[in-house]
Amino acid sequence: QVRLQESGPGLVKPSETLSLTCIVSGDSISGYYWNWIRQPPGKGLEWIGYIYYSGSTNYNRSLKSRVTMSLDASKTQFSLKLSSVTAADTAVYYCARDVYDSSGYYRWLDLWGQGTLVTVSS
Amino acid sequence: QSALTQPPSVSGSPGQSVTISCTGISSDVGTYNRVSWYQQPPGKAPKLMIYGVTNRPSGVPDRFSGSKSDNTASLTISGLQAEDEADYYCSSYTSTYTWVFGGGTKLTVL
Repeated sequence: QVRLQESGPGLVKPSETLSLTCIVSGDSISGYYWNWIRQPPGKGLEWIGYIYYSGSTNYNRSLKSRVTMSLDASKTQFSLKLSSVTAADTAVYYCARDVYDSSGYYRWLDLWGQGTLVTVSS
Repeated sequence: QSALTQPPSVSGSPGQSVTISCTGISSDVGTYNRVSWYQQPPGKAPKLMIYGVTNRPSGVPDRFSGSKSDNTASLTISGLQAEDEADYYCSSYTSTYTWVFGGGTKLTVL
């Protein structure tokens, strides 16, 4: 059974860098896109970006200047760094697996981690 | 990329059917059949319910169905059950290789 588990500090100070890791168990990272998505308390989902197993990335335009994603295939994990955080970055952060069909046309997020709450506060 | 538009809330009684709409634009919902739907019970992670507009993953009851007309996708839940009470989000993979989500719809089973 494939599982995703987010880990990282639950509290980050304003202006510092938020760092999270998603550990993939039960499967390899190869062949998939790996996403980060966040949800501020009481609000909807916001896509942050994804990293392909090859290392290529694509980020939400509104966050692009502050986001860096990386992956470690040997450890079957991938990471998110979000710099210069403010209170507006307080949210539950989810990692999610992004799959595509044989034609490459269809994409969907088939597997999600349980989420981790990150609070930005001094 | 603007968020997709969903109604904030819908409700229905057990056994009834409800439909949740999701309106986008031509560069996402309108042109591509890449709409997916996610169920999020309170305090839990989202779960995939529909992908490719109409396809159900293994294990999702056939009470859940999806459709699309022009720039609007829809999720229909028939034979409502108490366990269906949750937030529902639509999403689309866009022409610019990004993901966009709807604002979410809270389903209340009366």
